Amino acid sequence: GAVVSQHPSWVICKSGTSVKIECRSLDFQATTMFWYRQFPKQSLMLMATSNEGSKATYEQGVEKDKFLINHASLTLSTLTVTSAHPEDSSFYICSALIDNYEQYFGPGTRLTVT
Amino acid sequence: TQLLEQSPQFLSIQEGENLTVYCNSSSVFSSLQWYRQEPGEGPVLLVTVVTGGEVKKLKRLTFQFGDARKDSSLHITAAQPGDTGLYLCAGEMNRDDKIIFGKGTRLHILP
Repeated sequence: GAVVSQHPSWVICKSGTSVKIECRSLDFQATTMFWYRQFPKQSLMLMATSNEGSKATYEQGVEKDKFLINHASLTLSTLTVTSAHPEDSSFYICSALIDNYEQYFGPGTRLTVT
Repeated sequence: TQLLEQSPQFLSIQEGENLTVYCNSSSVFSSLQWYRQEPGEGPVLLVTVVTGGEVKKLKRLTFQFGDARKDSSLHITAAQPGDTGLYLCAGEMNRDDKIIFGKGTRLHILP
């Protein structure tokens, strides 16, 4: 099956700093990628839809200036958490869309803000 | 409003038993997917169903899509400890639309 990677796997940063998370499709091109956040024992919550070559579409309640998304190529999307705070600590997961309806997920990035 | 309701939320059974988990909605989905997620990892796609009444089998797992494409079930035969995990259903209401997730069923198989 299709492979999606994320980097880093986990990161600890201090409050007020910014963190960039990369999402790569390794053996296919993805026009559309999604970014999710998952809190412990909860389901995935869609944050934004990332489209190659255009601005990301953010879900209601997600601050676009805080969660910067860049989808500069067909194999890479990045999520930058700016001025991170402890409440941003979460498991961030990306996925890539294939054939317009099947998603393949990355392994996730665990962010801890101290 | 939760568009996709999964039940049960949590299930703990002995190895060798059978189980069924459900994913229900009042909305019609063009496709529905089941994922399995282990702690600290991303969800892994198990199956996609697109046709009402469709049944798909994956070894000991049987997936069914309701005739009206509003609900789905996952049946596991002779559960094994390796089946432990969070099972998520996700539906797409229209082609090219975003996918909606249920809250998941947390399954624990006791050896």
